[in-house]
Amino acid sequence: DVKVTQSSRYLVKRTGEKVFLECVQDMDHENMFWYRQDPGLGLRLIYFSYDVKMKEKGDIPEGYSVSREKKERFSLILESASTNQTSMYLCASSFFRGHSGELFFGEGSRLTVL
Amino acid sequence: SQQGEEDPQALSIQEGENATMNCSYKTSINNLQWYRQNSGRGLVHLILIRSNEREKHSGRLRVTLDTSKKSSSLLITASRAADTASYFCAPRSGTGRRALTFGSGTRLQVQP
Repeated sequence: DVKVTQSSRYLVKRTGEKVFLECVQDMDHENMFWYRQDPGLGLRLIYFSYDVKMKEKGDIPEGYSVSREKKERFSLILESASTNQTSMYLCASSFFRGHSGELFFGEGSRLTVL
Repeated sequence: SQQGEEDPQALSIQEGENATMNCSYKTSINNLQWYRQNSGRGLVHLILIRSNEREKHSGRLRVTLDTSKKSSSLLITASRAADTASYFCAPRSGTGRRALTFGSGTRLQVQP
């Protein structure tokens, strides 16, 4: 079975702190994604990556950056956390070519910024 | 990528009843996928229907697709309390951005 593992289920950080959210997948997927989910707003795409060291902005990239140094790992970085970044963060991965585009999600990381 | 719009936003039924959720989208698709999310967890892929298919079944799930109306429906038959979750549709275009886009989903509550 595909497994997408997010490093922390719950985090509490202070305004201005640098925050790292880590995501690892074990199915050799080319594509990896970071979404945030807020009540009433659905899932919004922050960044995605289709190859090592490649990244593309999603719909709400402001205040975030990402890193993909290895194929299996995709990190989301909040350079200076703010209270409006309190949210549930979901990582997902998928194959690139010859597949349906089905996404496999991690369990989520709920971040609270005080 | 395009976003699907689920309807209704919330649905409450009794155990044993059927639950129907609808999804509308705007442009042509390659396939449409349905996902489920238990409270506080990640999304799980349920079923995919391709643009050349009209109906698909998987266990108690039945998905239909009407490309002329740009709509899909997910039917859960003989619902159980364990079906309580949010359900999302994700239309996938053949071109454009690789990422799926999700709406706010349908929150299904199945009363025991």
